[in-house]
Amino acid sequence: AQSVAQPEDQVNVAEGNPLTVKCTYSVSGNPYLFWYVQYPNRGLQFLLKYITGDNLVKGSYGFEAEFNKSQTSFHLKKPSALVSDSALYFCAVRGPTDKLIFGTGTRLQVFP
Amino acid sequence: EADIYQTPRYLVIGTGKKITLECSQTMGHDKMYWYQQDPGMELHLIHYSYGVNSTEKGDLSSESTVSRIRTEHFPLTLESARPSHTSQYLCASSVTGGHTIYFGEGSWLTVV
Repeated sequence: AQSVAQPEDQVNVAEGNPLTVKCTYSVSGNPYLFWYVQYPNRGLQFLLKYITGDNLVKGSYGFEAEFNKSQTSFHLKKPSALVSDSALYFCAVRGPTDKLIFGTGTRLQVFP
Repeated sequence: EADIYQTPRYLVIGTGKKITLECSQTMGHDKMYWYQQDPGMELHLIHYSYGVNSTEKGDLSSESTVSRIRTEHFPLTLESARPSHTSQYLCASSVTGGHTIYFGEGSWLTVV
């Protein structure tokens, strides 16, 4: 069965420092992987996706993610965090019949 | 930004009332989904549709029902609301052959 795991409930980082939000996946076949962000009382906003091609994927708001097949990981990264990046981040994998299967979410807190 | 709209955004109703959460998209997407999310928690798929007159139950059992009479419209109905139905409901859509699922802003339901 397809699944993703987000091992950290919360990540704390100082503004200006690089950030990483971790995600590992388990799929049969080629994975379609996604990152979404959710701000308080809002829906999910699409950040980026990996389908095929370059392992480093660039997305919205300066975020990028690195697909690593050998480690079955798809970590979200940003070189310099902003306070406004504080939100809930979800990793997801496209499951059978095109449904998204989400991780449990990681709360990112960026401190001034 | 995706053109997918949910109404109402916030609703407080009494136990036993019938409610319908509306979801519309103007992108012509054939696939639509309903996810349920408790505050700050992971998302669970409760219903999906691959086109007009097609509806399927998702991974999480739900007492709600859905209909898909028009491509752009995918309402969710609770015949008799209970406090256990208190949650956020997120509507989403995608196009066949596309990879990204787009979300609406969500509907917060509180049953008292």
